[in-house]
Amino acid sequence: DTGVSQDPRHKITKRGQNVTFRCDPISEHNRLYWYRQTLGQGPEFLTYFQNEAQLEKSRLLSDRFSAERPKGSFSTLEIQRTEQGDSAMYLCASSPIGAYNEQFFGPGTRLTVL
Amino acid sequence: QKEVEQDPGPLSVPEGAIVSLNCTYSNSAFQYFMWYRQYSRKGPELLMYTYSSGNKEDGRFTAQVDKSSKYISLFIRDSQPSDSATYLCSIQGAQKLVFGQGTRLTINP
Repeated sequence: DTGVSQDPRHKITKRGQNVTFRCDPISEHNRLYWYRQTLGQGPEFLTYFQNEAQLEKSRLLSDRFSAERPKGSFSTLEIQRTEQGDSAMYLCASSPIGAYNEQFFGPGTRLTVL
Repeated sequence: QKEVEQDPGPLSVPEGAIVSLNCTYSNSAFQYFMWYRQYSRKGPELLMYTYSSGNKEDGRFTAQVDKSSKYISLFIRDSQPSDSATYLCSIQGAQKLVFGQGTRLTINP
């Protein structure tokens, strides 16, 4: 399977703990995006990378959130000092050069903060 | 006002019916309009996209964009139980996608 992969698929943590998610995009896709989706809502944009450069961050991405994409390949999203309001599905997507509207999503990481 | 508005449903129709799903948007600068399908606890799957106004057909699916009224639609012909899912309209705003709330659709056998 050469689609976008995410790990872990599920994460349960206690409030105040740090969590890190990983996304592996489709190979040769130079753009990688992170979205957050809560129950009954559409995905909301968090941030995106072009190669290794983080080019835009949403105001939803508080100081507790950090994302990286070293070497322009996989990406990680870290949430520090998790809060119950962080419980959501975290989705990663990638898009090829010249077709940035065609974003292909991974299966998501479902985070539950107790 | 949200940038993209979508009726959340739920919408329930019998198998074989024609389904119409709709969204409105506020920013006239948007150029690309996408429809995604999302099964329960899965990531969204790109169904089709259109550029500017007009229709685009792909099998049983037709996407329609009316930029003058800022209205986009997805029609599903000969609906099947396997079409039961949440359908998300999405619009490319700058470098990111802006999504509607999603419409939950159930096709009853």
